Amino acid sequence: GAVVSQHPSWVICKSGTSVKIECRSLDFQATTMFWYRQFPKQSLMLMATSNEGSKATYEQGVEKDKFLINHASLTLSTLTVTSAHPEDSSFYICSAGDGGKYGYTFGSGTRLTVV
Amino acid sequence: GESVGLHLPTLSVQEGDNSIINCAYSNSASDYFIWYKQESGKGPQFIIDIRSNMDKRQGQRVTVLLNKTVKHLSLQIAATQPGDSAVYFCAENTAAGNKLTFGGGTRVLVKP
Repeated sequence: GAVVSQHPSWVICKSGTSVKIECRSLDFQATTMFWYRQFPKQSLMLMATSNEGSKATYEQGVEKDKFLINHASLTLSTLTVTSAHPEDSSFYICSAGDGGKYGYTFGSGTRLTVV
Repeated sequence: GESVGLHLPTLSVQEGDNSIINCAYSNSASDYFIWYKQESGKGPQFIIDIRSNMDKRQGQRVTVLLNKTVKHLSLQIAATQPGDSAVYFCAENTAAGNKLTFGGGTRVLVKP
């Protein structure tokens, strides 16, 4: 079946630094990747949608200059949290689709803690 | 904006009993619905899906029911097991945007 690998699974960084999270589709080509953020005991909130080779589409209220998304290939998308602050601490999850309307596979998530 | 069941109730169920998890959605344009299971510290795991041209779909120990009239979705788990303890989310696909919108989730606690 479709597998999406997300790395790292957890990261601790200092306030003001940047952190990059990778999302890879291992056995299929992901034309579209989605990035979600999840705070404790809450649902997944879509941050942005990225299509290979084009700029990401951000959801309302998500700062595109703070959350940089790159989808340079059909198997890799990256989310960079720039100038991280403690309030950015959260669980970040990616999902990938192969272009079919109904197929989404989720990564295992990245726990980001900003100290 | 549109939302899908924004709340996080907890369902306690005795091992071996059946569980029913409910979800309300508000976007009448949604045509595809998915139930996910999420264990602590992990990403969502696909359980079962249903398209809007159906009202019932069965999997292994799980059944999803869709009532488009009242915009209601439910997940039934038969003979609930300790391994079923997790948070369950419904999600809908908005055809125009081709993106999943998640509901608030329900925590299921299975008592031995």
